[in-house]
Amino acid sequence: AQSVTQLDSQVPVFEEAPVELRCNYSSSVSVYLFWYVQYPNQGLQLLLKYLSGSTLVKGINGFEAEFNKSQTSFHLRKPSVHISDTAEYFCAVKVGQGGSEKLVFGKGTKLTVNP
Amino acid sequence: NAGVMQNPRHLVRRRGQEARLRCSPVKGHSHVYWYRQLPEEGLKFMVYLQKENIIDESGMPKERFSAEFPKEGPSILRIQQVVRGDSAAYFCASSRGSAGYGYTFGSGTRLTVV
Repeated sequence: AQSVTQLDSQVPVFEEAPVELRCNYSSSVSVYLFWYVQYPNQGLQLLLKYLSGSTLVKGINGFEAEFNKSQTSFHLRKPSVHISDTAEYFCAVKVGQGGSEKLVFGKGTKLTVNP
Repeated sequence: NAGVMQNPRHLVRRRGQEARLRCSPVKGHSHVYWYRQLPEEGLKFMVYLQKENIIDESGMPKERFSAEFPKEGPSILRIQQVVRGDSAAYFCASSRGSAGYGYTFGSGTRLTVV
């Protein structure tokens, strides 16, 4: 079954530093990948998605991710983080086909941005 | 243009009571998904519904849990005879069509069983 693995459960960084949150997926013929962000006591918000085409995907809030088929990765990056980026980030992959599709999520990475 | 509306935001139930969680999808979305979130475990898929149909309930516990999405009204996740282990955040998401384009999530219902 398709799945995603988020390699880091917690990532602390200082404000204005770059950050990379790692996500690896299990291999499949066709891959749709997503990153979501969850702020405390809120639902999940879509940051970006890869469906096809360019392997570099730009999302909201200055985040981007690169789809790497050979390494089965979809790492999330931001060149300079803000305090307000402190949140939990989830990688997800679409599984299923033919009308029974759903998203399967990783366990999440808690990003803490310190002043 | 309201997003996914879930209510209540917080729900406290005593062991043995029933919990009913409601979800109104984005207007025009006919696909609804329920997920459960426990600390350190991420989001676990529970059930996928379309209007009046359960499409995939592979993540639903076999007993005490049920879900519906009637022709009119919100989707309901029902937990009968709640136990402490049911305490979690329950999220509903909706999509216009295929999940391949991503979901819109609600703010969740936080269930506490005392």
